[in-house]
Amino acid sequence: AQSVTQPDIHITVSEGASLELRCNYSYGATPYLFWYVQSPGQGLQLLLKYFSGDTLVQGIKGFEAEFKRSQSSFNLRKPSVHWSDAAEYFCAVGPTYSGGGADGLTFGKGTHLIIQP
Amino acid sequence: NAGVTQTPKFQVLKTGQSMTLQCAQDMNHNSMYWYRQDPGMGLRLIYYSASEGTTDKGEVPNGYNVSRLNKREFSLRLESAAPSQTSVYFCASSPMGGGNTIYFGEGSWLTVV
Repeated sequence: AQSVTQPDIHITVSEGASLELRCNYSYGATPYLFWYVQSPGQGLQLLLKYFSGDTLVQGIKGFEAEFKRSQSSFNLRKPSVHWSDAAEYFCAVGPTYSGGGADGLTFGKGTHLIIQP
Repeated sequence: NAGVTQTPKFQVLKTGQSMTLQCAQDMNHNSMYWYRQDPGMGLRLIYYSASEGTTDKGEVPNGYNVSRLNKREFSLRLESAAPSQTSVYFCASSPMGGGNTIYFGEGSWLTVV
């Protein structure tokens, strides 16, 4: 069964500093990989996704993520955070095929990002 | 610009009561999902529907039923609510099944007392 681990429950970063959120996955092959962001009281918004090709993917709001097959990781980065980046971030994996009971994404437990002035 | 719409946004139920969460998407997506979100647990899949007329259990289906009424609508029913079902529920949809991008509604906050 596929699983996602986000090792950091909370991360505090100063405004303007760089950010890296960690994500490790367990899957039998290379899955589809996603990062979502959730602001308080809101639904989840897609930041970026990796399906294939270039292992460094660019997303919205200045975020990027790098897929490292050898480490089963898909870490999210941002060079300089803004106070508006404070939110909950979720990494997710999904199968590269449909049917046979394989459907939907499996989410990590989330990382709560706090931005201090 | 609606995307995925869920109703109600907030609901308080007494133990043993029943209710249905409604969900509709206007993106002509084939697949629809119901997730629940609990503190420290992330999102867990309750049920999904890969296409109109089909439904399948996810990770945590016990205590829930679903209906894929048509391509647009996917409802979640709690027949006899329990305090353990206090959660935030998210409906979502995807153009196709498998691991394709999922688009979420804004959530329904349910409290069972």
